[in-house]
Parts: sequence; structure tokens; C-alpha cells
Amino acid sequence: EAGVAQSPRYKIIEKRQSVAFWCNPISGHATLYWYQQILGQGPKLLIQFQNNGVVDDSQLPKDRFSAERLKGVDSTLKIQPAKLEDSAVYLCASSLDYTASGNTIYFGEGSWLTVV
Amino acid sequence: AQTVTQSQPEMSVQEAETVTLSCTYDTSESDYYLFWYKQPPSRQMILVIRQEAYKQQNATENRFSVNFQKAAKSFSLKISDSQLGDAAMYFCALRGGGNEKLTFGTGTRLTIIP
Repeated sequence: EAGVAQSPRYKIIEKRQSVAFWCNPISGHATLYWYQQILGQGPKLLIQFQNNGVVDDSQLPKDRFSAERLKGVDSTLKIQPAKLEDSAVYLCASSLDYTASGNTIYFGEGSWLTVV
Repeated sequence: AQTVTQSQPEMSVQEAETVTLSCTYDTSESDYYLFWYKQPPSRQMILVIRQEAYKQQNATENRFSVNFQKAAKSFSLKISDSQLGDAAMYFCALRGGGNEKLTFGTGTRLTIIP
């Protein structure tokens, strides 16, 4: 079974530029998550989708971050304009259905962003 | 709100020895799930072991086992016969039964000494 796929793996941009990350979850997984992990910290949830609807985006900085999952499968996370403090690893994850709390959440390898 | 605390930023163990990583948590839910994830330098979060709060029996997965103390809200991970490949960051995580999001601790960096 294929895992969660993310691209690009690495990205370096200047502040005020834009960047987009792509994620393809495990086949059949209805729930998709984007996490931000700053160096030395645990991952923090940015946004959670159930199919193509948003379940939780309370910690997403909406003035600069946006995310979509138009067809309920793959998803894109965009940052515009980027700030130095956005340097982090962006982890995409998926699970069968978030309404069953015991379902395991599987993570991709992450997209490393450095803002200079 | 739910919180997860890992008080050991770094731990080290001799190869083939046993090490225990600590985790405490807080939640108002009666039904919840606890997880330990391993994060190697590649940064992918890999599930090591999970525990359902309603189960009294401690979970085990090969060399990995947990000591789940529900009353004390403690969830430690024991790694037996440590191997070089066990070196990584280990994160404790909690998910409440009320569809709460997965909340992570700050992690423990485990070093294996050959």
C-alpha cells in the first residue's frame, strides 16, 4: 500500500515570496491533515479536511496560509507571502475517518521550507 | 483542552540496553487514545505503538512496550534491546475521543551509544 506522498521535499525561498506544497493521501482515506513542525517542537495542526470540507482550521494563519482539497483526494497548502518564521517542515497526514478517533494517522515524509 | 508533556529533551542508552521515555498528559475526555511516534532525521512520523484508554492491558509491539497509568495520566515507552536504528526523536501524542485533534509533546531525542 502506497503511503502519503508529498512534494516538493525541500524548498528555499526569500521572504515575501510564495510557495505551494502538494499532498496525496493514502487511497481511501477521507481525512487529510496539514501539520507545521518548527525545529525543536512537536507538530502543530494547521488544517484538517474531511473529504473536501474543512473540519478544523483554527490554527491556520489565514492572512497568509491557504489550503484546498477540491476533489476530496489530494491537497495543496499555499503560503503567500512567506515570513522568516514560516521556516519549518510541513507534514501531511491522512486517516480513514477522523470521526473514529482510534483510526491511526499516517504521515508523509514532509516538505522542508527555509525562508531566507 | 488537552496537553502532552515530555520532560526529557534528550536521553541516551547503550546498545542492547533498555531505556524508558516518559510522557504525561491531561484531558477531560474519558475515552481517548495515546500514541508514540518515532521521527528519524528524514522527518517522517512513524507510529511505534498505540494504547486505547479503555484497555487496562499495556500495549506491546516487539521490543516496544508502554506503561499506561491512567489515574496518574502517565504513558511511558520502554524500548528493550536498544538498536542503533532506534536513534530518533520520539513524540508522545494524545487524541481525545470527542474527535479532538492529535496533540503532540515536544519530543525526546534518543541517542544509542554503540
